[in-house]
Parts: sequence; structure tokens; C-alpha cells
Amino acid sequence: GAGVSQSPSNKVTEKGKDVELRCDPISGHTALYWYRQSLGQGLEFLIYFQGNSAPDKSGLPSDRFSAERTGGSVSTLTIQRTQQEDSAVYLCASSLGSSGGGAETQYFGPGTRLLVL
Amino acid sequence: AQSVTQLGSHVSVSEGALVLLRCNYSSSVPPYLFWYVQYPNQGLQLLLKYTSAATLVKGINGFEAEFKKSETSFHLTKPSAHMSDATEYFCAVSEGGSNFGNEKLTFGTGTRLTIIP
Repeated sequence: GAGVSQSPSNKVTEKGKDVELRCDPISGHTALYWYRQSLGQGLEFLIYFQGNSAPDKSGLPSDRFSAERTGGSVSTLTIQRTQQEDSAVYLCASSLGSSGGGAETQYFGPGTRLLVL
Repeated sequence: AQSVTQLGSHVSVSEGALVLLRCNYSSSVPPYLFWYVQYPNQGLQLLLKYTSAATLVKGINGFEAEFKKSETSFHLTKPSAHMSDATEYFCAVSEGGSNFGNEKLTFGTGTRLTIIP
């Protein structure tokens, strides 16, 4: 079956511009996660959705970062006024979301590679 | 708070030799533990996970890991290395229990495995 898909696969933008990153989770998965992978910081959690709600957004690094999820499916991560330190690979993952706690397998997409010039 | 330490950012083994990648965790509650593999320009793929059942966990591609509570470790092993195993491996922890909101993964900094022909 189809896995997690993300678009665009690559994005180059200028400092100060806004960007939107999209994630399509596996069909039927109610839980969705965003992570960031960068050379300096490794893999970091950003935000977690259960359905359309975000019970954990503790990893968003600043108020320039926001995310939403509509229809319990597609999610977009928006970065406003991008800075060079935002350059990273943004990974999306989804899981069934049928049980609480962290035991479920998270299935990752290929990521969006963001470069801020 | 939980954390993961992967000892050795780079590990080299000869083809056919034992692979051992080390992971130690810190968690205030019984954890769930995961090993993910990342191939170039791809997302993360689950190798195996420990979710409080058997302490010796078998995964894909001949890998296995043993949860040792007394040592707070979850080391990854494979009896005989293959050239195709050369890539990056991440250990991750999530908070145990069944409460929604504890699902995020905290990752180690990764270990790059090189296989010597």
C-alpha cells in the first residue's frame, strides 16, 4: 500500500520568505508527527497530531513555526520568515493512533529537504 | 524526560563479522525502544522495537536487540554483516504507558555503519 508521502521533496527559498511543507499520511492513520533532521541538532520532534488536534507541540522551535491538519488526513507545516538555521530535512510520520502511549510504529515519509539561502 | 545515547558515531566492521551498535537510554518511566535505519535520501525505516514484551527482540534483515533494564541498554546486533547493511542507524525512545500525548520519539545522534569488504 501507499506509504507516507511528502511534498515538495526539495525546496530552496530565500531568507525571510514563508514556506509550506505538505504531508500525506498512510490512509487510516489518525496519528501524525513532524520531525526535523539537521546536521547540528540531529533528529528532533516538532509536533504530534491525533486527528486534527495537536496534543503535543512542544518541539516547535519558535512562533514562526506552525502546523495544521485538516480532515484527519493531510498536514501542512508552515515556516514564516525563514532563517538560514531552518535549513534541514523535515520528516513526517504517521501511525495508527489506536492506542495511547508510544508503542505504535511510526512510518516515515522521505522528507522535504529545505535550504534557506 | 527521556534521552538516548548512541556510543560511536561511526562503526566499521568486516563483511561477515558481528555488528554491534550501542544504545543506552534514560527514562523516568519504563520506556519503549526502537531502532530505525535510514538509507540515503530516504526516510526512516523501523528495524525492530521493544514494547515491554520479550526482552530479546528480532527485527528485519537479521537484526536483533536485547533490552537490559539493569544496564539501561538496547544494543543492536547482527551475527554476520553484509555490504547492504552499510548506512545510518538511529536508536529512539518513547515514554511507556498508554496515555495519549506520550507518543513522541526521542532519537540518538545516529551511528554510521561501514562494512569493509
